[in-house]
Amino acid sequence: NAGVTQTPKFRVLKTGQSMTLLCAQDMNHEYMYWYRQDPGMGLRLIHYSVGEGTTAKGEVPDGYNVSRLKKQNFLLGLESAAPSQTSVYFCASSYEGAETQYFGPGTRLLVL
Amino acid sequence: QQQVKQSPQSLIVQKGGISIINCAYENTAFDYFPWYQQFPGKGPALLIAIRPDVSEKKEGRFTISFNKSAKQFSLHIMDSQPGDSATYFCAARGASGTYKYIFGTGTRLKVLA
Repeated sequence: NAGVTQTPKFRVLKTGQSMTLLCAQDMNHEYMYWYRQDPGMGLRLIHYSVGEGTTAKGEVPDGYNVSRLKKQNFLLGLESAAPSQTSVYFCASSYEGAETQYFGPGTRLLVL
Repeated sequence: QQQVKQSPQSLIVQKGGISIINCAYENTAFDYFPWYQQFPGKGPALLIAIRPDVSEKKEGRFTISFNKSAKQFSLHIMDSQPGDSATYFCAARGASGTYKYIFGTGTRLKVLA
């Protein structure tokens, strides 16, 4: 039981490049979330999903897209990376209505 | 728009002392208030949580105090240990059925040996 895993762990991009961050969970959770963590800003919700095939916007969705084609996977895409997207990205999952979010180990992204 | 305000930003406590972190919220529709603990290089992990119909919850050395009328809640770490050195985040969950969380900005705690 791996819990929540994130791929890659670290990535460097040039401005304008695109990439996809992968989140996978093996706990059969309905809900999945993508957050970004910046110094002094805490965790801010980018997008979330309440089930396979569904997605919704969070606090800071601009510049990101997501997909939830399979229940266990939640993909976060950056179509045209900007330096402002330099951050640590965390994925989390939970059962529907559950009070505990399980977080992955994070992906550190640097956009030059 | 930050709906959960957390203070202090950083905190240094002597071993054996009490660490206190405070949070204030604005939205009365929040229905669940967790605290997460994060060690460097790791993802946050749930530490303790409380519902608004309870004024206090204790788990070991960790206690949440909740003041619904003041819209404030706090984390108390009794007998603080060096192993408690981490960043702590308070959070609040929306009650609209979407289960979205708003997080505070975090408190970096350092417990001196």
